[in-house]
Amino acid sequence: QSALTQPASVSGSPGQSITISCAGSSTDVGAFYYVSWYQQYPGKAPRLLIYDVNKRPSGVSDRFSGSKSGNTASLTISGLQAEDEAHYYCCSYAGVINYVILGGGTAVTVL
Amino acid sequence: EVQVVESGGGLFQPGGSLRLSCAASGFTFSSHWMHWVRQTPGKGLEWVSRVNSDETTTEYADSVKGRFTISRDNAKNTLYLQMNSLRAEDTAVYYCVRGILGPPVAFDLWGPGTMVTVSS
Repeated sequence: QSALTQPASVSGSPGQSITISCAGSSTDVGAFYYVSWYQQYPGKAPRLLIYDVNKRPSGVSDRFSGSKSGNTASLTISGLQAEDEAHYYCCSYAGVINYVILGGGTAVTVL
Repeated sequence: EVQVVESGGGLFQPGGSLRLSCAASGFTFSSHWMHWVRQTPGKGLEWVSRVNSDETTTEYADSVKGRFTISRDNAKNTLYLQMNSLRAEDTAVYYCVRGILGPPVAFDLWGPGTMVTVSS
């Protein structure tokens, strides 16, 4: 099972909105409503930002939002801030055979 | 404090074995599916294995199937990963991860990770 495809890097200026794509297939992203997104700072463990495509855990800023269209999921960061500079990973349930697959990660740079 | 903390990492020889442990605290451990996720140095994340809340079902990534065994002791609030027939490509930071309640296909609590290096 191949990893989900994410852009290696995305950048934006403070205050702007950016969107990170996560391309999968009809057997993972397209088949289930179980896409999640994680933020990771260097040397730290990942943190859950979004689950079930567009739900935010308590404590996560509403500047983070998720969506899905067909086989591609997206994470949008609105009002970009310096603290958003990190790596972001998408993740999808892939059924009983492959269970869960993750994306290769996207480095977000705040210009 | 709600946390999970891994232990057991270190330097190991190819073909060798080790067991990782993960101590959970601050939440009802027995209610959650638990997972191991690894991250190779400078690379992305890879889901490794999961066990359901009462240890009746487990699943593994193809890359570790037949070599790794996940288990848990709900009385001790501890998760384990037995790793046998180690390979160089198993070198990674191993994270103990809690599945969310409900459809447990997202991970809402991560440990700090433990580094496993497989090298002769």
